[in-house]
Amino acid sequence: GAVVSQHPSRVICKSGTSVKIECRSLDFQATTMFWYRQFPKKSLMLMATSNEGSKATYEQGVEKDKFLINHASLTLSTLTVTSAHPEDSSFYICSASEKAEPYEQYFGPGTRLTVT
Amino acid sequence: QQPVQSPQAVILREGEDAVINCSSSKALYSVHWYRQKHGEAPVFLMILLKGGEQMRHEKISASFNEKKQQSSLYLTASQLSYSGTYFCGTDYEGYNKLIFGAGTRLAVHP
Repeated sequence: GAVVSQHPSRVICKSGTSVKIECRSLDFQATTMFWYRQFPKKSLMLMATSNEGSKATYEQGVEKDKFLINHASLTLSTLTVTSAHPEDSSFYICSASEKAEPYEQYFGPGTRLTVT
Repeated sequence: QQPVQSPQAVILREGEDAVINCSSSKALYSVHWYRQKHGEAPVFLMILLKGGEQMRHEKISASFNEKKQQSSLYLTASQLSYSGTYFCGTDYEGYNKLIFGAGTRLAVHP
């Protein structure tokens, strides 16, 4: 099956700093990538949808200036958490899809962010 | 709107069957089912499209009742490997943007 990687898998940063998380589709071209946030034993909460070469579409309640998303190519999307605070600590997981229609999403392994 | 999944948790003995339901308060374009094991990424099981047929993945099948705006996942003759949290994702617009339910935790014991 298709593989999606995320880097880093874990990151600890100090309050006020920024952190960048990369999501790559390794063996296919991703028309669309999605960013989710997941709290322990909770569901996946969609943060934003990103299409290659265009601005990301953010879900209601998600601050676009805080969570910067760049989908630079058909295989790479990045999420930058700017001026991170302890409440931003969470599990961030991306998924990628070859099509912008109902289709399988391939999930990355996730990134555990801890802000101290 | 987040779809409602039921039950929240299920405990089975190997070989037993289970049904997981996913209900929406508004019309659905498609329903997607995923399974997530602890500490791992969600894994795709199947998609059910509006007007489509019942789908199957090994001994797991699913149905989609458009009128009732709900989908059900049927796990038959459960195996230990079925343990995990099952999420349904609902697509309301047809652009593959999914809103996931709260999940159903399934534990299969020998």
